[in-house]
Amino acid sequence: LAKTTQPISMDSYEGQEVNITCSHNNIATNDYITWYQQFPSQGPRFIIQGYKTKVTNEVASLFIPADRKSSTLSLPRVSLSDTAVYYCLVGDIGNAGNMLTFGGGTRLMVKP
Amino acid sequence: NAGVTQTPKFRILKIGQSMTLQCAQDMNHNYMYWYRQDPGMGLKLIYYSVGAGITDKGEVPNGYNVSRSTTEDFPLRLELAAPSQTSVYFCASSNKVHEQFFGPGTRLTVL
Repeated sequence: LAKTTQPISMDSYEGQEVNITCSHNNIATNDYITWYQQFPSQGPRFIIQGYKTKVTNEVASLFIPADRKSSTLSLPRVSLSDTAVYYCLVGDIGNAGNMLTFGGGTRLMVKP
Repeated sequence: NAGVTQTPKFRILKIGQSMTLQCAQDMNHNYMYWYRQDPGMGLKLIYYSVGAGITDKGEVPNGYNVSRSTTEDFPLRLELAAPSQTSVYFCASSNKVHEQFFGPGTRLTVL
């Protein structure tokens, strides 16, 4: 499984764009990059997934450079309710035995 | 749809007791998972199932057992509870391996 490295914590203010970068230097050819969000006392929630270039949905954008050794989750115009832990995961989505590994994640604190 | 439901929400056990954490999903998902999350840490996979009758170990299976007799249900059994099993337990289900839907969790304390 590809190991991921992301900042332990980040602070931001309401209305700002937040970019959280995840490093995954040993990503494999079949691996996809997936991001989850977890609010206190809740289970994680799937945010976005991508393989290369850029993916956008109603919640976030995911930027993946050509070498795929890192990825950036972009949250536009954050609000207080975006305060959560964000997890970056890398793995082969075609293999059910390829376990998801949740590291420590990035604790995002959005301030008024 | 109720999604993924877990019972109980909270439980306190004495050392050596046993219990079953219940998990059910109504989305007809093939894959189901059990994770544990210790305070301030990420989630660790205990067991997973790719379909009824099929289960396999995850990263931290010791002290736990599972069964999957139906598509909907995936109970987690703790035998001989130990303080090290104090944690929050999350059940999840999916049809796409990495797009999992999580339940609200069960907070377990072993004293």
